[in-house]
Amino acid sequence: QVQLVQSGAEVKKPGASMKVSCRASGYNFIGFYIHWVRQAPGQGLEWMGWINPNKGGTKYAQKFQGRVTMTRDTSIRTAYMELNRLRSDDTAVYYCAIDSSGGPQGWLDPWGQGTLVIVSS
Amino acid sequence: DIQMTQSPSSVSASVGDRVTITCRASQTISNSLHWYQQKPGKAPNLLIYAASSLPNGVPSRFSGSGSGTDFTLTISSLQPDDFATYYCQQTNSTPQTFGRGTTVDIK
Repeated sequence: QVQLVQSGAEVKKPGASMKVSCRASGYNFIGFYIHWVRQAPGQGLEWMGWINPNKGGTKYAQKFQGRVTMTRDTSIRTAYMELNRLRSDDTAVYYCAIDSSGGPQGWLDPWGQGTLVIVSS
Repeated sequence: DIQMTQSPSSVSASVGDRVTITCRASQTISNSLHWYQQKPGKAPNLLIYAASSLPNGVPSRFSGSGSGTDFTLTISSLQPDDFATYYCQQTNSTPQTFGRGTTVDIK
C-alpha cells in the first residue's frame, strides 16, 4: 500500500539545523509531488512547501524562504526537508504528505506519521 | 495569503446528530478546497477533496459542498469514531492555507 515513513524525533538547540526524511513506498515515487506541513503543539496545520520528486523543483511558503530546503533522492525513494537557524517556535510535528492529484495543488493523501522536533536550549 | 475562516471552532454533539462545519475563503478558490480529519497524536486523514468528492474508504455519512468562497462539511449521523478535529485546506494559490480547525467532542 502507499506509505510514507518519516525519521524519528529530534531535539535541537536554537540556531541549529534539522533534516527530516520521508521514505515512500507502494507507488511511483517520481509521479507525485510531496508536501511538507507542520503543526506546533496544540495548534493548527501550517503548509511549508512542496517538492517535485521527478525533477527536484520546489516551492516554499514565503515564511520559510531562505531557511528551508526540500530535496529528494530518487534512488532510495526518499524526500527530505531541512530547516535552518532553528528557533523555539519551530517546535512542532513535521509531516510529509503525497499530493494525490498528480500536480502540486491537490489534496494530501496519505500523510507520513509525523516527526516531532523540539527546539530547546 | 488566502485566509480560511472555519466555524465553529468547536461543537459538542451526540451520536446520531447531524453536524455541519463551514469554511469561508477570503477570496474565491473555485473548488480547490479539501477537508481532513485528525485525531489526537495522529496525522490528518483526507476526508473530502475538491470540495465534494469522497475518497475511497471514507464513509458516506461525510459530504462536502460549496464553491467559490463558501464551503460546508456535513456529517449526517455522527458516529463514535467521528469525534476528532476537522480542518479545511485551500490549494488554489500559494501559500496553501488551512482553517484553524473545528473540534467535534461528545456532548
